[in-house]
Amino acid sequence: EAGVAQSPRYKIIEKRQSVAFWCNPISGHATLYWYQQILGQGPKLLIQFQNNGVVDDSQLPKDRFSAERLKGVDSTLKIQPAKLEDSAVYLCASSSLRDRGNYGYTFGSGTRLTVV
Amino acid sequence: DAKTTQPPSMDCAEGRAANLPCNHSTISGNEYVYWYRQIHSQGPQYIIHGLKNNETNEMASLIITEDRKSSTLILPHATLRDTAVYYCIVRVARGSTLGRLYFGRGTQLTVWP
Repeated sequence: EAGVAQSPRYKIIEKRQSVAFWCNPISGHATLYWYQQILGQGPKLLIQFQNNGVVDDSQLPKDRFSAERLKGVDSTLKIQPAKLEDSAVYLCASSSLRDRGNYGYTFGSGTRLTVV
Repeated sequence: DAKTTQPPSMDCAEGRAANLPCNHSTISGNEYVYWYRQIHSQGPQYIIHGLKNNETNEMASLIITEDRKSSTLILPHATLRDTAVYYCIVRVARGSTLGRLYFGRGTQLTVWP
């Protein structure tokens, strides 16, 4: 089974620029999550999708962050404009209630963003 | 928002058992305890989960106390590849969807030769 794919693996941008991250979840997983992990901390949920609808975006800084999941499969997370404090690893995860072997999540390897 | 407490770091000799504790005193009756680990530069990896009974799989064992206020992850024969940050997480579920995972800072386990 292919895992959760994310790209790019690394990104360096200047502050006030925009950036986008892409995620392709495990096939058939209806739920998709974006987490932000600042160095030295655990991941923090930014947004959760169920199919193509948003379930939870309470922690998403909506003045600069946006996310979409068109057609309920791939997802993109965008930051515009970026700030220095957005430097972090952005993790995508997916899950399925039908995955009896693992009532949990599968994470991608993440995109490491550095804002200079 | 993390609902668990873990020691920031532990170490273990290779080949010995690693016992990682976690306190979750406010856990609700329908909340599961999950354990994940994160090896440097990778995403978190699922290890094991449980509700009230002890669980074992090919990676680890999970011991949950009878009052469910704490648990211990056991790696029976730690190897150098088990060096990672280990997260104990209480899962919040809402309706038919899996809810968010609240990550704390986890425990940095270092396995030494």
